[in-house]
Amino acid sequence: GQNIDQPTEMTATEGAIVQINCTYQTSGFNGLFWYQQHAGEAPTFLSYNVLDGLEEKGRFSSFLSRSKGYSYLLLKELQMKDSASYLCAVLDSNYQLIWGAGTKLIIKP
Amino acid sequence: IAGITQAPTSQILAAGRRMTLRCTQDMRHNAMYWYRQDLGLGLRLIHYSNTAGTTGKGEVPDGYSVSRANTDDFPLTLASAVPSQTSVYFCASSDSTTSTDTQYFGPGTRLTVL
Repeated sequence: GQNIDQPTEMTATEGAIVQINCTYQTSGFNGLFWYQQHAGEAPTFLSYNVLDGLEEKGRFSSFLSRSKGYSYLLLKELQMKDSASYLCAVLDSNYQLIWGAGTKLIIKP
Repeated sequence: IAGITQAPTSQILAAGRRMTLRCTQDMRHNAMYWYRQDLGLGLRLIHYSNTAGTTGKGEVPDGYSVSRANTDDFPLTLASAVPSQTSVYFCASSDSTTSTDTQYFGPGTRLTVL
């Protein structure tokens, strides 16, 4: 079966750095997405990786290793507004998105 | 530019009733999707449409139907609602002709079936 694993919850301090990991086992791979979802709101697109390596976008970076079935989202200089759930999703061989359950990130002052 | 709109925002429904959730996008995206999101679970695909006039079943299609008469609209119908269909429903769209095929989400409909 297809499976996306990410931690249920993480806590970090304002101004610090946090890494949210995602491992996947899917039938085929056509890219990996990270979305941010604030409580009671819709998911919003953060990043897309299809090749191995690090993609940097401001305070957020996303890394992919296809051989290890592994990705992480790195958030720097954490702000209180970064408190949200972060969803990892993989586009499988049928071009359907398989979603992880999400990681709830709690930022403490 | 509105992006994707959904209606209603929330609804309380008696079991056995019929309900249609509406979804409209103005981005001229060819692909549209319906997901449900339940606590502790990832987004689960109910139905999708790759282009106007075609639809397909996702992971959890039972009890739901969709239609895609035109590019902009993708309504989801619950023929006879049951309490297990209590969930938050998200509509999404994407331009699947692009390599990234990024999905953009509507604000969601919170549905409670009693």
